[in-house]
Amino acid sequence: GAGVSQSPSNKVTEKGKDVELRCDPISGHTALYWYRQRLGQGLEFLIYFQGNSAPDKSGLPSDRFSAERTGESVSTLTIQRTQQEDSAVYLCASSLEAGEFDEQYFGPGTRLTVT
Amino acid sequence: QKEVEQNSGPLSVPEGAIASLNCTYSDRGSQSFFWYRQYSGKSPELIMFIYSNGDKEDGRFTAQLNKASQYVSLLIRDSQPSDSATYLCAVKGSGGSNYKLTFGKGTLLTVNP
Repeated sequence: GAGVSQSPSNKVTEKGKDVELRCDPISGHTALYWYRQRLGQGLEFLIYFQGNSAPDKSGLPSDRFSAERTGESVSTLTIQRTQQEDSAVYLCASSLEAGEFDEQYFGPGTRLTVT
Repeated sequence: QKEVEQNSGPLSVPEGAIASLNCTYSDRGSQSFFWYRQYSGKSPELIMFIYSNGDKEDGRFTAQLNKASQYVSLLIRDSQPSDSATYLCAVKGSGGSNYKLTFGKGTLLTVNP
């Protein structure tokens, strides 16, 4: 079946502009996660959604970052007033449930470059 | 701060050899452990997971877990040039954050023909 999809695959934006990144999880997966991977660094957890529960936003680096998810479908990650340090690959993952034994599958990522 | 540590490498092995990738973690309550492979410019791909102490084999891959030592490893037998990639160790949190994966920075593996 179809995997996690993300759009756009690449985004170049000027410093100070807002950007919106989209993630479409695997059908039937209730949990959705956003991660960030800076060049040469490990993956950083940003935010987690599970069904209609309150999201875990503990990884968002600043109040310029926000994310939404409607039900168990598409999620959008919005970065306002982008800064150069926001340049990274933004990865979305989904899992069937959100338990400790559930496997997370990643989408292809969005490469964001802030100039 | 929960941590996952990996040797950054690069680890270079000849084709056909066994590649051994190691990972230690700080959260003693963690119960599930994952290995992802990441080719350059691509997203992480799940290749193995392990929950119980001991070995778990899948084809040429063997994951090993020792919870007492807080150590997990991945062995790749009969290494192929196509195995050249960065291998990420990921550990699920414990308690209320057991959905959250913490990643190591990855070990770069190069398999030489």
